Amino acid sequence: EAQVTQNPRYLITVTGKKLTVTCSQNMNHEYMSWYRQDPGLGLRQIYYSMNVEVTDKGDVPEGYKVSRKEKRNFPLILESPSPNQTSLYFCASSPVAGVGPDTQYFGPGTRLTVL
Amino acid sequence: QKEVEQNSGPLSVPEGAIASLNCTYSDRGSQSFFWYRQYSGKSPELIMFIYSNGDKEDGRFTAQLNKASQYVSLLIRDSQPSDSATYLCAVNFESQSGYALNFGKGTSLLVTP
Repeated sequence: EAQVTQNPRYLITVTGKKLTVTCSQNMNHEYMSWYRQDPGLGLRQIYYSMNVEVTDKGDVPEGYKVSRKEKRNFPLILESPSPNQTSLYFCASSPVAGVGPDTQYFGPGTRLTVL
Repeated sequence: QKEVEQNSGPLSVPEGAIASLNCTYSDRGSQSFFWYRQYSGKSPELIMFIYSNGDKEDGRFTAQLNKASQYVSLLIRDSQPSDSATYLCAVNFESQSGYALNFGKGTSLLVTP
């Protein structure tokens, strides 16, 4: 089954404790992206990757890191989480057509709480 | 800043009516436009995309694009209570390393029986 998986789905942690949220897709998509969603602010892009070893900042990259060493995986790293990073996080992937993000498939989401 | 604007709603329509959802965008270079549906607590689900000016129909859904006015809309005919959700408009734009996608904040739709 074609899908984007994220782990963990729910996470409660404390300020400053490094964490990684994994994202994996089995559709051989080139484009992958991370978003956070907050009430009243909508979906905001954190980072995206056009292909292996190619990443770029989205609208809200501060406090986050990503890597794209393999096509299928795109982990989101919070080196020192803070309470303002409490949010619902989505990973997404799409096959890159000539004009950019095409049909974008979303993972199920990770609800992160930083105390 | 590449802006995508939507009315937050809620937009309330009776069952069987046409729901009209609107979106404006700021980047004239945008080429691709998407409508996603998101139920509460769930991930966004793509329902329509459109690249060319005019209308594109898929079942009860019609996407309309007017690049000159920088305006894209979604019509839902014969609205059903199951259509009650938040609808997100997304627009692509060119960035340093390729393309990225900007989302509006979404319009909440409520279809009442």
